[in-house]
Amino acid sequence: EAEVAQSPRYKITEKSQAVAFWCDPISGHATLYWYRQILGQGPELLVQFQDESVVDDSQLPKDRFSAERLKGVDSTLKIQPAELGDSAMYLCASSFLAGDTGELFFGEGSRLTVL
Amino acid sequence: DQQVKQNSPSLSVQEGRISILNCDYTNSMFDYFLWYKKYPAEGPTFLISISSIKDKNEDGRFTVFLNKSAKHLSLHIVPSQPGDSAVYFCAASGTSGSRLTFGEGTQLTVNP
Repeated sequence: EAEVAQSPRYKITEKSQAVAFWCDPISGHATLYWYRQILGQGPELLVQFQDESVVDDSQLPKDRFSAERLKGVDSTLKIQPAELGDSAMYLCASSFLAGDTGELFFGEGSRLTVL
Repeated sequence: DQQVKQNSPSLSVQEGRISILNCDYTNSMFDYFLWYKKYPAEGPTFLISISSIKDKNEDGRFTVFLNKSAKHLSLHIVPSQPGDSAVYFCAASGTSGSRLTFGEGTQLTVNP
């Protein structure tokens, strides 16, 4: 069964260090999303790609976060420098349809702990 | 500004009984609503959805009801099974294909 792949599953880092997360969406899915889920809260969209283009990054803290999807397939989310408040689950999702009215398929997530 | 709100952090029901999970929203531009289920250490998985042109959608044991005038939707699970124990997220989006906005989630526990 096709699934969204994410790595690493777990990452522990010290504040001010750089971290990076990788996501490989389901083949053929043009839309890719990065969500952040803080414990006890729902997922919050950080950035949405349509193919290689960013269509929504209004909630991405651009002073420290960056995301790219250079060839319109897999994607990397980077945080530099990491802060204590960045501790969260980072979820990647993809969808076949453009926009959010289609079903999203989520990966298992990357749990970040910043010490 | 919490546009999608799930007021019950947790719900406990007996196996075989009905589970009712509730969700309220404030943005009248939302016209598509989804429920996702999340097990520990896994990503959310899509469960069921409903468009604002409908007031009910059913899929097996799962039924979603939408009350647009009250800006309220609910998920009914009948009969509840222990395997249904998970966190359930309500989510909403608008016609423009704007972002999917999630609620905080409700932890459902179905006791054998």
